[in-house]
Amino acid sequence: DSGVTQTPKHLITATGQRVTLRCSPRSGDLSVYWYQQSLDQGLQFLIQYYNGEERAKGNILERFSAQQFPDLHSELNLSSLELGDSALYFCASSLRTSGGLLYFGAGTRLSVL
Amino acid sequence: AQTVTQSQPEMSVQEAETVTLSCTYDTSESDYYLFWYKQPPSRQMILVIRQEAYKQQNATENRFSVNFQKAAKSFSLKISDSQLGDAAMYFCAYRSPNTGNQFYFGTGTSLTVIP
Repeated sequence: DSGVTQTPKHLITATGQRVTLRCSPRSGDLSVYWYQQSLDQGLQFLIQYYNGEERAKGNILERFSAQQFPDLHSELNLSSLELGDSALYFCASSLRTSGGLLYFGAGTRLSVL
Repeated sequence: AQTVTQSQPEMSVQEAETVTLSCTYDTSESDYYLFWYKQPPSRQMILVIRQEAYKQQNATENRFSVNFQKAAKSFSLKISDSQLGDAAMYFCAYRSPNTGNQFYFGTGTSLTVIP
């Protein structure tokens, strides 16, 4: 168990809908990262938050947004969903120190029908 | 920007044999960290091994070891005495302390272990 909690584990929805994915980082970790992994693909970095502030953006669509709350949990909001958004979405957390490891949650599997 | 390249999309190894997975990276930084993560069929990402760039000694974790060649920007993973449970997708990753501690991942190598 990495200590990173993601909910829900599975999500099935229809095109055009909006969903929210939730992540609780490991206790003490200030950084949260979101990654998207489509079928048989590598990890695509979406966005990073550090202590409530956006730190870096990757290949995140305008239809997607995220935030990190004062208790350090994070939410990834996906709207106007398309079939191509079906993927495994990972949250990971890390300490601020440069030697810190990246701890992954178990992921949320999103299926857009 | 830093890039991580895994040139072997698929590899296979006989059980109990040794296999080496390749990874190269491009960076102008002198201080960074390298990782190998394993993703079994469960899709959970599991840390296999970590290497600090300032350390010349290659990291080792039981049957897993790395060959870190800083000048060549190469970071290969050697799995000895391969077991069926080693079958997974393996991702090489680079962590930059100078760009917000960003992690850059390779595209992965799918390892099959043949009984």
